[in-house]
Amino acid sequence: DVKVTQSSRYLVKRTGEKVFLECVQDMDHENMFWYRQDPGLGLRLIYFSYDVKMKEKGDIPEGYSVSREKKERFSLILESASTNQTSMYLCASSLRTASYEQYFGPGTRLTVT
Amino acid sequence: QKEVEQNSGPLSVPEGAIASLNCTYSDRGSQSFFWYRQYSGKSPELIMFIYSNGDKEDGRFTAQLNKASQYVSLLIRDSQPSDSATYLCAVGHWATDSWGKLQFGAGTQVVVTP
Repeated sequence: DVKVTQSSRYLVKRTGEKVFLECVQDMDHENMFWYRQDPGLGLRLIYFSYDVKMKEKGDIPEGYSVSREKKERFSLILESASTNQTSMYLCASSLRTASYEQYFGPGTRLTVT
Repeated sequence: QKEVEQNSGPLSVPEGAIASLNCTYSDRGSQSFFWYRQYSGKSPELIMFIYSNGDKEDGRFTAQLNKASQYVSLLIRDSQPSDSATYLCAVGHWATDSWGKLQFGAGTQVVVTP
């Protein structure tokens, strides 16, 4: 079974703090993704990575950065958290094959006050 | 902009009946199609994927794909209260530069009533 874990289920941070969200997968997947999910807006892709040290912007990268130093680990960084970054953050991973099915972690519900 | 459209619902289904969910997509080059189930407050869980035209069955779930009409559907037979969730349709394109990205629909909420 694919297992994707995320560092926290719930997180509360103050405006202006630097926030690190970590995602780890144990299935040797090449591709990893960060999404945020908000009511009425669905899943929106923030960043993705197709290999170690490789990253690509998704649809809403502003205010975020990422790091992938090891194949199994993909970190999302909020450089200076703002209240409009309060959201559910979901990490996913997939193999670099024709199938491309993505497997999600449990999510981190981040509240920025 | 590649789009994936779903009715938001809620789709109310009596227990034991068939729930029918539809999804249309705009990118004619799409090649992989996925259905995810998401319970409230939880993350999406993959339940079905389909690549070829026709039907694919897995337990009480059947995915149907019609590439000519650009739609994919999900049937849930013998619906149970535990099937109450939001169902997300996702579509992928196997282009070299797609890097496995999927386009997600906004989801259809299904409510199974006892």
